[in-house]
Amino acid sequence: QQQVKQSPQSLIVQKGGISIINCAYENTAFDYFPWYQQFPGKGPALLIAIRPDVSEKKEGRFTISFNKSAKQFSLHIMDSQPGDSATYFCAASRAQKLVFGQGTRLTINP
Amino acid sequence: ETGVTQSPTHLIKTRGQQVTLRCSSQSGHNTVSWYQQALGQGPQFIFQYYREEENGRGNFPPRFSGLQFPNYSSELNVNALELDDSALYLCASSPGTSGGALNTGELFFGEGSRLTVL
Repeated sequence: QQQVKQSPQSLIVQKGGISIINCAYENTAFDYFPWYQQFPGKGPALLIAIRPDVSEKKEGRFTISFNKSAKQFSLHIMDSQPGDSATYFCAASRAQKLVFGQGTRLTINP
Repeated sequence: ETGVTQSPTHLIKTRGQQVTLRCSSQSGHNTVSWYQQALGQGPQFIFQYYREEENGRGNFPPRFSGLQFPNYSSELNVNALELDDSALYLCASSPGTSGGALNTGELFFGEGSRLTVL
């Protein structure tokens, strides 16, 4: 049972552009929504996270938009850089148990 | 402050064998979770330990078992290895609260142990 659906599977963006990754969840009991960045051969690293009582959170070039009624949330990467090329996972959490999306492989072309 | 460390980083086993993976949690964290990440997939929750007790389990068979020690380090044991067990096994630690309610959401992952089953 896929509880968190992520799209697209892969994304190519030009340097300086905006990267947008979308996720949808089913279980309304989730109370924490993090995004992780993973480079090849490495473990996932926490990028940014949001709780469902907030509609938007911004940290530097990274912004999460959260729509509780639609059970959707998205990651926006502004001014995308080649160093942002990685796989990104959204997740939904309850009691620190994460359900991950399938991942998005992001490539930033110079 | 040291992060989450896992060992070994890579290992190769054959079908039917048993494996033990180890994890040292981040300083100050008393909760450890284990995830399995198959190639090209998102991590899947195996189980979580809080103060040496199992505190939730995902959809994995009983041949996947774990331990948490008084210093909050942890082990993942897998018996009767199958080819499909080949994956990156990730350990994550998180802070709990003294009252027992796990109300913080941040998990910090180690680099993982890459298991190949032949």
